[in-house]
Amino acid sequence: DAKTTQPTSMDCAEGRAANLPCNHSTISGNEYVYWYRQIHSQGPQYIIHGLKNNETNEMASLIITEDRKSSTLILPHATLRDTAVYYCMAIIQGAQKLVFGQGTRLTINP
Amino acid sequence: GAVVSQHPSWVICKSGTSVKIECRSLDFQATTMFWYRQFPKQSLMLMATSNEGSKATYEQGVEKDKFLINHASLTLSTLTVTSAHPEDSSFYICSARVTQGVNSPLHFGNGTRLTVT
Repeated sequence: DAKTTQPTSMDCAEGRAANLPCNHSTISGNEYVYWYRQIHSQGPQYIIHGLKNNETNEMASLIITEDRKSSTLILPHATLRDTAVYYCMAIIQGAQKLVFGQGTRLTINP
Repeated sequence: GAVVSQHPSWVICKSGTSVKIECRSLDFQATTMFWYRQFPKQSLMLMATSNEGSKATYEQGVEKDKFLINHASLTLSTLTVTSAHPEDSSFYICSARVTQGVNSPLHFGNGTRLTVT
C-alpha cells in the first residue's frame, strides 16, 4: 500500500468547512483513497473512498487531484461531533488488511 | 446495514485471568474478520486476521498462544486474551467486510476496553 502523509492536527470553527489534506505521491493505479475517522473511544468509522473522480456522500466530499498524488476530505459544515482523528489510506480495493497511520486530529471549535 | 458488534464494551480483570471478547457481524456474513489493538494516543495496530473455519493469521510480534482467536461461524469471531497482564490493557477493536462485497469498505466494532489490574 502507498504511504500517506497527513498533518498531525487541525482546527476548524463550527459551521465552517473542514478541509483535510492527504499526500499519497506513490499511489499506484489500482489503489483507492479511503478515509476513516475515529471518534474518541470508538471504533473507526468509514467515511468515503474514491479512485480518481471526486466523490460525495452524506458525510463528506473527496477531492482527488488529477495526478492522484494528493486528496482532500471536505466536511462541508463541521459540527462539534466531527471532532475526531481522520485517517487517509491508499489501498487496493478489496484489500483485506488496513494499515493505519497516525492520522489528523481534527478539533472543531465552538 | 453492515453493523459490527463487540461485547463487552469494557472489562476489568485481574492479572493472570483470561478474557474473551466477541465480535459479531449483525446483518451480514463475514468469512474474514480482523482484530486490532490500540494503546492510548497511538494508532490502531493490526494483530491478526480471523478466518472462518481455519486458523487465524497473526501479525509479526503477536503471540498466537496468548491471543487465541476462534472464528467458528460466519458471524462470530472471538479473541481470548489468556493469562492477562497489565501490559495487555488496551483498546481491542474488530472489523469485517461483507463477504460478497469485495468493493465494500471494512466496518468496525465499537471496541472493547480491557483493563488488567
